[in-house]
Amino acid sequence: EPEVTQTPSHQVTQMGQEVILRCVPISNHLYFYWYRQILGQKVEFLVSFYNNEISEKSEIFDDQFSVERPDGSNFTLKIRSTKLEDSAMYFCASGRGRRETGELFFGEGSRLTVL
Amino acid sequence: TQLLEQSPQFLSIQEGENLTVYCNSSSVFSSLQWYRQEPGEGPVLLVTVVTGGEVKKLKRLTFQFGDARKDSSLHITAAQPGDTGLYLCAGDTAYGQNFVFGPGTRLSVLP
Repeated sequence: EPEVTQTPSHQVTQMGQEVILRCVPISNHLYFYWYRQILGQKVEFLVSFYNNEISEKSEIFDDQFSVERPDGSNFTLKIRSTKLEDSAMYFCASGRGRRETGELFFGEGSRLTVL
Repeated sequence: TQLLEQSPQFLSIQEGENLTVYCNSSSVFSSLQWYRQEPGEGPVLLVTVVTGGEVKKLKRLTFQFGDARKDSSLHITAAQPGDTGLYLCAGDTAYGQNFVFGPGTRLSVLP
């Protein structure tokens, strides 16, 4: 069964460093998403991406964040100048985006720890 | 900003009991999904409901979408320890552009 894969599973970084989280969405999906979940808190929407551009982003997704689809399979989230409060699980998801099949398929997540 | 509320926040029951958890909003959703999340893992989709009033069954789980497409419920019959987890509802507000998650109901089923 096709699945969304994410790397790395866990990354530890120093405050102020840049990190790149990688995702391989399900191949026939058209919409891609990044969510984050701070420990013990709710799943928060960051950004959605369709047709090689951002389709919607939350207020969390400020200039510190960027997304890219560098090739036909990878979808990346870059976090510049990391802060302590960026520590969270970051989930990538993909979906077909149509109303009848609008569900999301999530990866296992990348745990980011900022020291 | 669309918000989804879930109740109860925590629920601890004995194996074999029935339970219902709720997902409510003042916003209308084009579809609503229920997910279950285990600690340290990503949410796993259980069901999508699309039509107001729709009822879907998945073994011992029954999902209902409100007539106005603003709320949903999840009923579990004869709960088992394997049902333990965080149950999340997520609403699709813009036909796939943005899914808003509720805070979840953490269910614990004791043997």
